Amino acid sequence: EPEVTQTPSHQVTQMGQEVILRCVPISNHLYFYWYRQILGQKVEFLVSFYNNEISEKSEIFDDQFSVERPDGSNFTLKIRSTKLEDSAMYFCASSENRGEKLFFGSGTQLSVL
Amino acid sequence: GESVGLHLPTLSVQEGDNSIINCAYSNSASDYFIWYKQESGKGPQFIIDIRSNMDKRQGQRVTVLLNKTVKHLSLQIAATQPGDSAVYFCAENYNAGNMLTFGGGTRLMVKP
Repeated sequence: EPEVTQTPSHQVTQMGQEVILRCVPISNHLYFYWYRQILGQKVEFLVSFYNNEISEKSEIFDDQFSVERPDGSNFTLKIRSTKLEDSAMYFCASSENRGEKLFFGSGTQLSVL
Repeated sequence: GESVGLHLPTLSVQEGDNSIINCAYSNSASDYFIWYKQESGKGPQFIIDIRSNMDKRQGQRVTVLLNKTVKHLSLQIAATQPGDSAVYFCAENYNAGNMLTFGGGTRLMVKP
């Protein structure tokens, strides 16, 4: 069964450093997303991406965040200058139709020290 | 703002019994709902979805019920098994938007 894959599974970084989280969405999906989940809290929407551009972003997705689809298979989330409060599990997801039946990856646990 | 919420943070059931997990939503404009299962250390796994023009939808051992009058969504799991132990999230969308809004989650614990 096709699945969304994410790397790395764990990332530890120092505050102020840049991190890039990587994702390979399901190949025939057109819509891509990043969500995050702070420990013990709800899954929160960060950004959606379609046709090589951001289609929607939340208040969390400020100027320190960016997304990119550098080639036909990868989808990345970059955090330019990490803060302690960026520590969370980051999930990539993809779907055939906008906002419906999202398939999630296993996540990248980001720890900012 | 409007949000999706859950009544019960933890539900404990005996193996073989049926489970019912509830979810309340407050956005009357929501027209698409989805249930996810999340096991420890994994991402949310799709279980079943339903559109607002339906009241009920069945899958394999799972049924989702939608009551638009009281803005209530439930997930029924028949013959609950130990492998069903996980956190279950409901999520909503409206107007075919890009964003799913997730509820707080209910932990289901299945006792052997």
